[in-house]
Amino acid sequence: GNSVTQMEGPVTLSEEAFLTINCTYTATGYPSLFWYVQYPGEGLQLLLKATKADDKGSNKGFEATYRKETTSFHLEKGSVQVSDSAVYFCALSDRQMDNNDMRFGAGTRLTVKP
Amino acid sequence: SQTIHQWPATLVQPVGSPLSLECTVEGTSNPNLYWYRQAAGRGLQLLFYSVGIGQISSEVPQNLSASRPQDRQFILSSKKLLLSDSGFYLCARSTGQVADTQYFGPGTRLTVL
Repeated sequence: GNSVTQMEGPVTLSEEAFLTINCTYTATGYPSLFWYVQYPGEGLQLLLKATKADDKGSNKGFEATYRKETTSFHLEKGSVQVSDSAVYFCALSDRQMDNNDMRFGAGTRLTVKP
Repeated sequence: SQTIHQWPATLVQPVGSPLSLECTVEGTSNPNLYWYRQAAGRGLQLLFYSVGIGQISSEVPQNLSASRPQDRQFILSSKKLLLSDSGFYLCARSTGQVADTQYFGPGTRLTVL
């Protein structure tokens, strides 16, 4: 079946450090891949997405590249800020899923210290 | 713009009491709608989804139920809450197109005591 595995947290970084959160997936079809961010007490917000192999999603300085050969979609940011502290979820949606269901990773909590 | 409203924002209920959480969507017709639960410190669990009025699919058997009385309204209910029902409940929508993005509402924090 379809599933997403992401790096366990929590991750604690200093401001301006480089961020990588690993995400790998298993899918039977041709998934679209997503990163969502959840700030404390709020719902999930779409951060970026990629719909086919070699696509790069980017937003707010975050990037992730859809790597079919390694079945990965790692999230990166060159210089994190305190305001990036949140929980990050990797997710996939497979074209072969009838209900447009999404599979989410367990989430990775990021804390950025000044 | 397409907006998702969830009501109430927070709720504290005793064990055994009933529950009704409401989700309404603006700015789109015939959306797919979803209920997720997020337990403390954990990922998202899909509870129900709906592709149209009166059409509900359940992903996890439990004491919760869902209904879609109108195109843009999705309700999560329970007749008798359990302690394990505590969590953060998120409503989401998509257009229903294959592999489309899901967009989430602000969530309802439910505490069962």
